[in-house]
Amino acid sequence: EVQLVESGGGLVKPGGSLRLSCAASGFAFSPYTMNWVRQAPGKGLEWVSCISSSNINIYYADSVKGRFTISRDNAKSSVYLQMNSLRAEDTAVYYCARERDPGGNGPDYWGQGTLVTVSS
Amino acid sequence: AIQMTQSPSSLSASVGDRVTITCRASQGIRNDLDWYQQKPGDAPKLLIYDISILQGGVPSRFSGSGSGTDFTLTITSLQPEDFATYYCLQHYIYPYTFGQGTKVEI
Repeated sequence: EVQLVESGGGLVKPGGSLRLSCAASGFAFSPYTMNWVRQAPGKGLEWVSCISSSNINIYYADSVKGRFTISRDNAKSSVYLQMNSLRAEDTAVYYCARERDPGGNGPDYWGQGTLVTVSS
Repeated sequence: AIQMTQSPSSLSASVGDRVTITCRASQGIRNDLDWYQQKPGDAPKLLIYDISILQGGVPSRFSGSGSGTDFTLTITSLQPEDFATYYCLQHYIYPYTFGQGTKVEI
């Protein structure tokens, strides 16, 4: 069974940093592109970033470019999101999501999310 | 970035109704269009990918159609467990973009 478990969320002050982790299990992790998607309280879904299997292709939403860094460790079946210079508008549930197949083509499995609150 | 315009933003329906949700892309996205269902407190769940292919385990009352820039999610005979928020997603080009969501309420 595919499982994605996010961790690392919490309360942080504006300008602060946080590192999210997503631990994957139940599938061969290394070939799959992985995504981070977020959802502000009461709002819709916003794609944040993705990283391909061998780190060759990395993309970011304009709203986080230059502040967030995605990375992965295939040996640990994990993907990470380093978030710096956090702003109130980054407050959201952050989901880790796997692409449907190793070639890409949109997320299929999602974790349950981890809440990030940016507030003084 | 490709804009995804989803409508309506909400709708009221009854059990047994036929429901249609539309999504329009600001440019052609081939068949790179998925639909997700999200219930309060839960992660999104993939319903349909590549316009019309049902994800495993999804009931056949869900269907998708469309081409180019205009796409539709249809739920025939709405069931109590279908009351949720639905999102379209284009994965044709990065950044991926979602529609604003459609809340299906009683």
